[in-house]
Amino acid sequence: GAVVSQHPSRVICKSGTSVKIECRSLDFQATTMFWYRQFPKQSLMLMATSNEGSKATYEQGVEKDKFLINHASLTLSTLTVTSAHPEDSSFYICSAREVWSPREKLFFGSGTQLSVL
Amino acid sequence: DQQVKQNSPSLSVQEGRISILNCDYTNSMFDYFLWYKKYPAEGPTFLISISSIKDKNEDGRFTVFLNKSAKHLSLHIVPSQPGDSAVYFCAASDGTSGTYKYIFGTGTRLKVLA
Repeated sequence: GAVVSQHPSRVICKSGTSVKIECRSLDFQATTMFWYRQFPKQSLMLMATSNEGSKATYEQGVEKDKFLINHASLTLSTLTVTSAHPEDSSFYICSAREVWSPREKLFFGSGTQLSVL
Repeated sequence: DQQVKQNSPSLSVQEGRISILNCDYTNSMFDYFLWYKKYPAEGPTFLISISSIKDKNEDGRFTVFLNKSAKHLSLHIVPSQPGDSAVYFCAASDGTSGTYKYIFGTGTRLKVLA
């Protein structure tokens, strides 16, 4: 089956630093990628949708200058949390799909646990 | 505004019995629904899907029922097994939006007791 690799799985950083999370599709062309975050015992909240080669579309309430998304190739999307603060601590998950694929063919990475001290 | 809701945060079921997980939605434009299983600190794993043109879809022990008029869907697991213990999310998408983005429910933690 399709595989989405997300790295790193866990990161601890100091407040004010930037953190980059990578999401790679290993055996298909991820024309669209989605970034979610999940707080403990809560739902997966969609942050943004990115299509390869174009700017990401952010959900209401998500700061695009704080959460920079780059989807420069068909196999790689990155999420950079800029000037991270403790309230950014969360579990971040990417998912990817290939154009024309069935709608249930949405594959998730294993997530990144970000802890900002 | 939570467009997809799972009103039961947790559910305990005896092994071998049926588990029924419920999901309600408010957006009448949602036309495709997925159920995912998730373990802590891992990404969700796809279980089963249903299109709004159907009212039932079955895959092995998992069956999803959709009631469009009530904007309600449910996942039935029978027989339940201890390995089914996890958090279950329903997710919905609006195909007319062109983005195929999914909105997730709040999750139900299922515990299957041996």
